[in-house]
Amino acid sequence: EVQLVESGGGLVQPGGSLRLSCAASGFTFSSYSMNWVRQAPGKGLEWVSYISSSSSTIYYADSVKGRFTISRDNAKNSLYLQMNSLRAEDTAVYYCARGQVATIYMDVWGKGTTVTVSS
Amino acid sequence: AIRMTQSPSSFSASTGDRVTITCRASQGISSYLAWYQQKPGKAPKLLIYAASTLQSGVPSRFSGSGSGTDFTLTISCLQSEDFATYYCQQYYSYPPITFGQGTRLEIK
Repeated sequence: EVQLVESGGGLVQPGGSLRLSCAASGFTFSSYSMNWVRQAPGKGLEWVSYISSSSSTIYYADSVKGRFTISRDNAKNSLYLQMNSLRAEDTAVYYCARGQVATIYMDVWGKGTTVTVSS
Repeated sequence: AIRMTQSPSSFSASTGDRVTITCRASQGISSYLAWYQQKPGKAPKLLIYAASTLQSGVPSRFSGSGSGTDFTLTISCLQSEDFATYYCQQYYSYPPITFGQGTRLEIK
């Protein structure tokens, strides 16, 4: 079964850091691009970051550029999001989502992990 | 950034109805458009990509059309499990990848 499982969410103070992980299974992880997408409480979907299959191409939303770092370990079938200098507006459910080889629609999603930034 | 605008933002319909949701891009995106369904507390689910290609396993009552700037998602005969929020997403020009604000479909 194709599956993505996020972990690492939690409560963190403003200015703090958190590292999210996404474990992939059931498919050849190294062949696919990956994304992080977030959803603030009661709001719509916001794309956060993209990484190509080989990590050669990385993109970020302006709202997180310079604060968040996406990475992957194809040997461990894992995707990561290092989040620094967290703000209240980063509070959201964070989903990892599988992209495609040459394009970026997302066909497999994890269930999400919740990040709450509050003092 | 390409802005995606969905209409309506919410509406009510009955089981068995035919419904259409519209998504408009702020500039032409060819057919690089996907539609997702999200139920409360759940992850989004891909319904359609390339504007009109049905994702494997998605019921045929869902269909998509359009190209350029104007797109539609149609559900031909609403079922109870279709009441959810729907999002469009463009992948023609990125970054950033952009979603519409969502259309909430409720039971009348």
